[in-house]
Amino acid sequence: GAVVSQHPSRVICKSGTSVKIECRSLDFQATTMFWYRQFPKQSLMLMATSNEGSKATYEQGVEKDKFLINHASLTLSTLTVTSAHPEDSSFYICSARDSAGGSADTQYFGPGTRLTVL
Amino acid sequence: SQKIEQNSEALNIQEGKTATLTCNYTNYSPAYLQWYRQDPGRGPVFLLLIRENEKEKRKERLKVTFDTTLKQSLFHITASQPADSATYLCALEGGSYIPTFGRGTSLIVHP
Repeated sequence: GAVVSQHPSRVICKSGTSVKIECRSLDFQATTMFWYRQFPKQSLMLMATSNEGSKATYEQGVEKDKFLINHASLTLSTLTVTSAHPEDSSFYICSARDSAGGSADTQYFGPGTRLTVL
Repeated sequence: SQKIEQNSEALNIQEGKTATLTCNYTNYSPAYLQWYRQDPGRGPVFLLLIRENEKEKRKERLKVTFDTTLKQSLFHITASQPADSATYLCALEGGSYIPTFGRGTSLIVHP
């Protein structure tokens, strides 16, 4: 099946630094990618929808200047957490929808990135 | 507001039995309902999708039912194995191809 990778899988950083997380679709093209955040024992919360070649669409309450999203190609989207603080510590997961797929079940999730801000 | 409810308590069952997980929703008219498996520290893995006009879907040992009148989906794993132990998430889509997830229910299958 289709594979989505994320890098890094874990990152620990100091408060105030910026962290970039990459999401790649390895064997398919993804016009649209999604970024989620998940706190322990909580559901996945959609942060933003990333569209190739255009600006991301952010969900209500998500600061676009804090979480910068760039979808530069059909296989790569990046999420940059700027000036990270301890409350940004979470599990960040991306998903990608196969551009060739017309049905709702062709969405694939990455393995997630655990961010810890000290 | 839209709400998806999954039992927050872990379901403990014995190997070989059938596990049944429940997903209830309110204030929602989903076009699709999906079930995912999530292992600790990993992203969700898609298992099954069922459409609003379908009553039941099967895939190997998995069975999903969808009752739009009761606003409920049941997820069954027959002949459960310890390897089935994981958190199972239900997700609803209203046709926008952006799913909304429940919190998930943890399943523990004891050998």
